[in-house]
Amino acid sequence: DAKTTQPPSMDCAEGRAANLPCNHSTISGNEYVYWYRQIHSQGPQYIIHGLKNNETNEMASLIITEDRKSSTLILPHATLRDTAVYYCIVRVAKGTYKYIFGTGTRLKVLA
Amino acid sequence: GAVVSQHPSWVICKSGTSVKIECRSLDFQATTMFWYRQFPKQSLMLMATSNEGSKATYEQGVEKDKFLINHASLTLSTLTVTSAHPEDSSFYICSATRRGPYEQYFGPGTRLTVT
Repeated sequence: DAKTTQPPSMDCAEGRAANLPCNHSTISGNEYVYWYRQIHSQGPQYIIHGLKNNETNEMASLIITEDRKSSTLILPHATLRDTAVYYCIVRVAKGTYKYIFGTGTRLKVLA
Repeated sequence: GAVVSQHPSWVICKSGTSVKIECRSLDFQATTMFWYRQFPKQSLMLMATSNEGSKATYEQGVEKDKFLINHASLTLSTLTVTSAHPEDSSFYICSATRRGPYEQYFGPGTRLTVT
């Protein structure tokens, strides 16, 4: 299973863009990158996912490098409610499609 | 869409008793459901994968006789913690997938405290 590496913590000023990096250097060609976040004592919330191309939705943008060995989640205008642990996951491409969670990045948005 | 519920949201039980946690997909049929455990300040740890009508597949190190999983329908999976002990106290989270992109939708979690 591909593993992911994320910085343990980051701070971001409210209203500024939060850029959360993730390394997945052993990713296979047909494996997707997923991003979830977990607010304290809740289940993880889906944010976005991608395979090769950059993706954008109402919550965030996902930038995947051309070699697919790393990606960046961008929250364009962080708010206090974005304070959470963000998980980058490379989904197993076959079989049960299970997720293996890494340690995530604890993002703190500062007022 | 894609809402997953869990019941109960929290439970306290005495050591030696069994506890059942339900996971339901409310507005879609789940091809697969997953059960995770999370200790304080730690990441989610996958415990098992279950498909409707099949035996669950447990991750290495997870005791299948202690954590009984039943997946009776495409919208319901249950996790029973048998003969619970204080070290089983944790946050248990389920997720469900549906056909297609197979992303997982997570429930709100169940906090189990064993006294």
